Amino acid sequence: EVQLVESGGGLVQPGRSLKLSCAASGFTFSNYYMAWVRQAPTKGLEWVASITNSGGSTYYRDSVKGRFTISRDNAKSTLYLQMDSLRSEDTATYYCTRVRGRTGLDYWGQGVMVTVSS
Amino acid sequence: DIQMTQSPSVLSASVGDRVTLNCKASQNINKYLNWYQQKLGEAPKLLIYNTNNLQTGIPSRFSGSGSGTDYTLTISSLQPEDVATYFCFQHNSWWTFGGGTKLELK
Repeated sequence: EVQLVESGGGLVQPGRSLKLSCAASGFTFSNYYMAWVRQAPTKGLEWVASITNSGGSTYYRDSVKGRFTISRDNAKSTLYLQMDSLRSEDTATYYCTRVRGRTGLDYWGQGVMVTVSS
Repeated sequence: DIQMTQSPSVLSASVGDRVTLNCKASQNINKYLNWYQQKLGEAPKLLIYNTNNLQTGIPSRFSGSGSGTDYTLTISSLQPEDVATYFCFQHNSWWTFGGGTKLELK
């Protein structure tokens, strides 16, 4: 059974940093691209960042480029999102998702809440 | 960026109704369109991928169709457990989600 379990969320002041983790199990992690998607309170879904299976290429939405870094450790089957210079508009539930080839996002974690507030 | 517009934003229907949800892209997305169901407090779940392919384990009352810029999710006979918000998602050029349709029971 595919499982994605996020951790590392919490309350953080504007301008500070936070690192999210996503522990994957039930599939061969190193075979899949992965992504982070977020959802602000009572809002829709928004793709944040994605990474190739080797970690050699990464992609970001414009609003987080230069502030967020997606990475992975295939030996530990873990995906990360380093978030620096956080802003109030980054407040959201962050979901770890698996990318299944050309069929898009298939499995999602339960999400982790990030609140940026003074 | 490709914009995705879903309609209606809220839909009320009765158990057993045939329900149709719409999603319109700002440009051709070549059928790279997925539908997700999100129940209150839960993560989104993949229902349909690439316009009309049913994800494993999803009931056959869910189906998808469309092409070009216009896509539809149909629930053939609405069940109480289908109450949720439904999002469309294009993965033809970068990735964007629709704003969602909240499906309620009448």
